[in-house]
Amino acid sequence: AQSVTQPDARVTVSEGASLQLRCKYSYSATPYLFWYVQYPRQGLQLLLKYYSGDPVVQGVNSFEAEFSKSNSSFHLQKASVHWSDSAVYFCALKAGGYKVVFGSGTRLLVSP
Amino acid sequence: EAAVTQSPRNKVAVTGGKVTLSCNQTNNHNNMYWYRQDTGHGLRLIHYSYGAGSTEKGDIPDGYKASRPSQENFSLILELATPSQTSVYFCASGDGGLSGNTLYFGEGSRLIVV
Repeated sequence: AQSVTQPDARVTVSEGASLQLRCKYSYSATPYLFWYVQYPRQGLQLLLKYYSGDPVVQGVNSFEAEFSKSNSSFHLQKASVHWSDSAVYFCALKAGGYKVVFGSGTRLLVSP
Repeated sequence: EAAVTQSPRNKVAVTGGKVTLSCNQTNNHNNMYWYRQDTGHGLRLIHYSYGAGSTEKGDIPDGYKASRPSQENFSLILELATPSQTSVYFCASGDGGLSGNTLYFGEGSRLIVV
């Protein structure tokens, strides 16, 4: 069965520091993979997505993610975080048909 | 202008009562979804739909029904609400395209069952 695991429930980084949020997936074929962000009391918004091609994909607000088939991973990265990046980040997988499965999310706190 | 709107945004229901959460989308997307969000569980898929008249069970469908009477509308129905269904519910539409079915979310409906 398909699944997404985000091992870190909370991550705290200092403003200006680099960031990596981890995502591991389980799926028998090559999946569509996504990162979404949720700001307080809002719905989720797409940050970036991957299906094929260059394993490093660029997204909004200077976020990028790297797909690794060998590691079944799709980690989100940012070179320098800003306080406004504080939010909850979700990794997601499109499985068979149009079913989309989400991880449990990682709450990012950017400290001044 | 919001393309996915949910109503009600907040609801308090009594145990055993019927609750209907409504979702309307103006994206003209075929696919629509209902998720619930709970601390520690992230978003869990309840029901989804490929188009008017279709509904599919997600990962946690027990205790929920769904209805898709038109392209634009997708409802989630709790026939006999229980306190365990207290949660925040999100509706989304999906573009279903070759780009992988990006989802567009509403702002959520907060349900408390007492």
